[in-house]
Amino acid sequence: DAGVIQSPRHEVTEMGQEVTLRCKPISGHNSLFWYRQTMMRGLELLIYFNNNVPIDDSGMPEDRFSAKMPNASFSTLKIQPSEPRDSAVYFCASSTGTSNQETQYFGPGTRLLVL
Amino acid sequence: AQTVTQSQPEMSVQEAETVTLSCTYDTSESDYYLFWYKQPPSRQMILVIRQEAYKQQNATENRFSVNFQKAAKSFSLKISDSQLGDAAMYFCAYIGTGNQFYFGTGTSLTVIP
Repeated sequence: DAGVIQSPRHEVTEMGQEVTLRCKPISGHNSLFWYRQTMMRGLELLIYFNNNVPIDDSGMPEDRFSAKMPNASFSTLKIQPSEPRDSAVYFCASSTGTSNQETQYFGPGTRLLVL
Repeated sequence: AQTVTQSQPEMSVQEAETVTLSCTYDTSESDYYLFWYKQPPSRQMILVIRQEAYKQQNATENRFSVNFQKAAKSFSLKISDSQLGDAAMYFCAYIGTGNQFYFGTGTSLTVIP
């Protein structure tokens, strides 16, 4: 199994530009999570999906952030417009079920730098 | 609300020695899971070990073991025979019935040759 796949691995962009982060969960996993990690705030859950449906987006910092999961094998996290404070490592994770019995498997992360 | 606290921002250990990383959590739930994740400089999160709250036996994975004290809400990670490859940031995490992970702020482990 290839594990959770994220792309790009690194992204450098200028303030005001749109940024799209992509995630392919492990095949067969029903839940998908987006996290953001910064030195100041640690690891934060932004949003998660169960069976392609957004369940909890309370962690999304503001309207500039949006996430979609059009099918079971693909999700995007979009930031428009991007700001320097969005610079962070963004992780995607997936799990096999919708209960708390399932371990989350993390992707390698996307390191975002907004200049 | 659930919280996870790692009170040791940094720890160091001599190679081949044993080190224990601390984690405490606060919850009113009785059914939950606890995890330790390792994050090396590559930033990829790696699952180290997990513990089901209903199990009294402490989880063990090779050189990694936990001391789970449910009443005290404590979940420490012991690394035996430390290796240079163990150097990383270690995150303690909690997940309850809401299916949301709560992470501690991490403990940076340095292994001294």
